[in-house]
Amino acid sequence: DAGVTQSPTHLIKTRGQHVTLRCSPISGHKSVSWYQQVLGQGPQFIFQYYEKEERGRGNFPDRFSARQFPNYSSELNVNALLLGDSALYLCASSLGTGGETGELFFGEGSRLTVL
Amino acid sequence: DQQVKQNSPSLSVQEGRISILNCDYTNSMFDYFLWYKKYPAEGPTFLISISSIKDKNEDGRFTVFLNKSAKHLSLHIVPSQPGDSAVYFCAAIPTGTASKLTFGTGTRLQVTL
Repeated sequence: DAGVTQSPTHLIKTRGQHVTLRCSPISGHKSVSWYQQVLGQGPQFIFQYYEKEERGRGNFPDRFSARQFPNYSSELNVNALLLGDSALYLCASSLGTGGETGELFFGEGSRLTVL
Repeated sequence: DQQVKQNSPSLSVQEGRISILNCDYTNSMFDYFLWYKKYPAEGPTFLISISSIKDKNEDGRFTVFLNKSAKHLSLHIVPSQPGDSAVYFCAAIPTGTASKLTFGTGTRLQVTL
């Protein structure tokens, strides 16, 4: 079975540009969460979507947005990129809203570099 | 404000010995705790978890201990194997927010031969 897949794996943008990151969850999983991992830090929660509805949002500016499609895949959009947005963006899926176990299945991430 | 702290950025342990990774938290609303392992160029992988109603959970070579009064948890790996070399993240979930994990900064474990 395919795990969580993310694209692109690496990308380079310049300040002020816009980026779209994509995620396909594990088949059957209805919840997708996005995390940002800056070098040397742990992943930080950005969004959670379940059944196409936003279920949670972390402490990120409005430049960050996301959506979930009917097939449960998801996009993370970041506008007006700043140097500080350079990070590994991780997508995670789970069966329900995260499950009582909190067990999330992570993809390999999209590494964004902003120049 | 770092609500989940892993104060040891790195740890080196000999193969066959016990590895003990520590984690402290400050938010009393956290009621579920998890450990994730991360290899380079891979996403974090779930390892083991513990609910706040327990003080110990065991899964094979991995045991997690929770001391609620001290707001401290630890992961024990016995015996340590070279394949355990990775970055280990402690994570916590507040009541009612199932997918909103708060992660620590990670501890890099190196298991030497």
